[in-house]
Amino acid sequence: QQQVKQSPQSLIVQKGGISIINCAYENTAFDYFPWYQQFPGKGPALLIAIRPDVSEKKEGRFTISFNKSAKQFSLHIMDSQPGDSATYFCAAINDYKLSFGAGTTVTVRA
Amino acid sequence: DSGVTQTPKHLITATGQRVTLRCSPRSGDLSVYWYQQSLDQGLQFLIQYYNGEERAKGNILERFSAQQFPDLHSELNLSSLELGDSALYFCASSVGSGSPYNEQFFGPGTRLTVL
Repeated sequence: QQQVKQSPQSLIVQKGGISIINCAYENTAFDYFPWYQQFPGKGPALLIAIRPDVSEKKEGRFTISFNKSAKQFSLHIMDSQPGDSATYFCAAINDYKLSFGAGTTVTVRA
Repeated sequence: DSGVTQTPKHLITATGQRVTLRCSPRSGDLSVYWYQQSLDQGLQFLIQYYNGEERAKGNILERFSAQQFPDLHSELNLSSLELGDSALYFCASSVGSGSPYNEQFFGPGTRLTVL
């Protein structure tokens, strides 16, 4: 069963808009939360990651918000661009094991 | 290009057969990870090797096995193949002491089709 629940399954956003992807987990032993970006025909690539003692991390147009008490975290893509069209996976690490969410396919319309 | 290479790109085989997938990590990376990506199960961690030794095990079936060789390349062996084993298999590598917090670099994957 999926240890990290991710939503929505897909989303469409206009160029310049904000994409928001949400993830939730139950296992409090998770201690690192990376996000991966995957383009068709390619392997996933690390986008941004956060530790649970930090509530927000921003890298360029990508921001992770983390709510430890609610066991939820989210990815915000600001000023979405057509090149951001990809599948995004949230993940969590415990004991050397990465558990992935089901993925969100983001389509940015020009 | 992540620097991780995987061969072959595609593999088509029949049920009951055995196949071997190969992975060469980035130069200098000591850890190799294997993942399976399928439509129904999503991305699942299978197994990790660090400098030749098994470090962590995920949802890897007993019909599957892996090893990491002295030159650090790794092979994933899948035997008694079933239709449900059809998936994309990714290898990833990371640098350093094998800490799970080191960035993992993924290869392009091997697409396995079992007929």
